Amino acid sequence: SQQGEEDPQALSIQEGENATMNCSYKTSINNLQWYRQNSGRGLVHLILIRSNEREKHSGRLRVTLDTSKKSSSLLITASRAADTASYFCATGQGAQKLVFGQGTRLTINP
Amino acid sequence: DTAVSQTPKYLVTQMGNDKSIKCEQNLGHDTMYWYKQDSKKFLKIMFSYNNKELIINETVPNRFSPKSPDKAHLNLHINSLELGDSAVYFCASSQQGQLAKNIQYFGAGTRLSVL
Repeated sequence: SQQGEEDPQALSIQEGENATMNCSYKTSINNLQWYRQNSGRGLVHLILIRSNEREKHSGRLRVTLDTSKKSSSLLITASRAADTASYFCATGQGAQKLVFGQGTRLTINP
Repeated sequence: DTAVSQTPKYLVTQMGNDKSIKCEQNLGHDTMYWYKQDSKKFLKIMFSYNNKELIINETVPNRFSPKSPDKAHLNLHINSLELGDSAVYFCASSQQGQLAKNIQYFGAGTRLSVL
């Protein structure tokens, strides 16, 4: 069955606000990654958090990981119109396999 | 300069035809992947090759046959196309190993429409 599940499926906010997306998964993981997909494009890696880490920052991105709850969140602060995209979590299983969720479609309104 | 390039970008064809999608990466990675993204944006892995050897083969109809002539190329051939094959197909690559953490680099996708 599908591993990662993002919540919400769609999110629309005003420019400048913060956007929070959540991801839940079902089995043990090595790491969890977040990717962004702009319309009509491929996925682009944003940030990776290892299973022994709880929080990680990269610019305006903040990722948390709670392995006891098998969940992660991605926070984008001070959103911009250019952040409009779909965001996917992906769980690393073994050395070579990533399992992607269904994504959250984020719309930033000017 | 494109890191992972796949061709064609769009493919429109009739049911029953055979078609191929090509993928090349210039990142020096040793592992390549094919994913299928359906209309609901669900991204599912189909195949993975490491140094030309098949390492992941998910439940995919045997009408789909990947071929890796060298570690920089992974092509996807589809026989007897069906309506349900309509989707966007993504190629990706990564470098295996502990430090690499399996961060994947994606091509821009091939939108396949079967009529």
